Amino acid sequence: DSGVTQTPKHLITATGQRVTLRCSPRSGDLSVYWYQQSLDQGLQFLIQYYNGEERAKGNILERFSAQQFPDLHSELNLSSLELGDSALYFCASSPSAEPYGYTFGSGTRLTVV
Amino acid sequence: GESVGLHLPTLSVQEGDNSIINCAYSNSASDYFIWYKQESGKGPQFIIDIRSNMDKRQGQRVTVLLNKTVKHLSLQIAATQPGDSAVYFCAENIQQAGTALIFGKGTTLSVSS
Repeated sequence: DSGVTQTPKHLITATGQRVTLRCSPRSGDLSVYWYQQSLDQGLQFLIQYYNGEERAKGNILERFSAQQFPDLHSELNLSSLELGDSALYFCASSPSAEPYGYTFGSGTRLTVV
Repeated sequence: GESVGLHLPTLSVQEGDNSIINCAYSNSASDYFIWYKQESGKGPQFIIDIRSNMDKRQGQRVTVLLNKTVKHLSLQIAATQPGDSAVYFCAENIQQAGTALIFGKGTTLSVSS
């Protein structure tokens, strides 16, 4: 157990729908990072939050948004879902704003049908 | 481009052999590198990291080598075991891109006994 908790583990939904993925960082970590991993692809960085504020943005679509709450958990919202959004979504956390000591959760597998 | 890449998508070795997984990076501003291991159905797991002021770092059965002259990173696994079978990713921190790690596509290591 890495200490980073992601829920749900699996999600199946239809095109056009909206889903929310949740991440609880490791105790004491202030940064949360979201990554997307499609089939046979590497990990694509989406967005980082540090202590409640957006810190860095990667290849995140406008249909996707995220936030980090005062208790430091984070949610990734995916809307107007398309078949191509089917992927593994990983959350990672680190103690500070810097990426040292990155720890990943076990991911949420999203299937859009 | 500025993404981290790997030389080979797959590597097959015999149990007990030493494995070498390579990674090339293109941005000379990168100052921090990490190797992750991802087993099927799991999140990436930290193996070892190295900062740009170092050439070599050793862990338990693993060694990371950094050659800044040719922008090359390698992961050496000694006495490879079947449990080492996984996808291995290198990741870099590109200072100008913010604080998130950028990942390459990965090398699948298969260990046969």
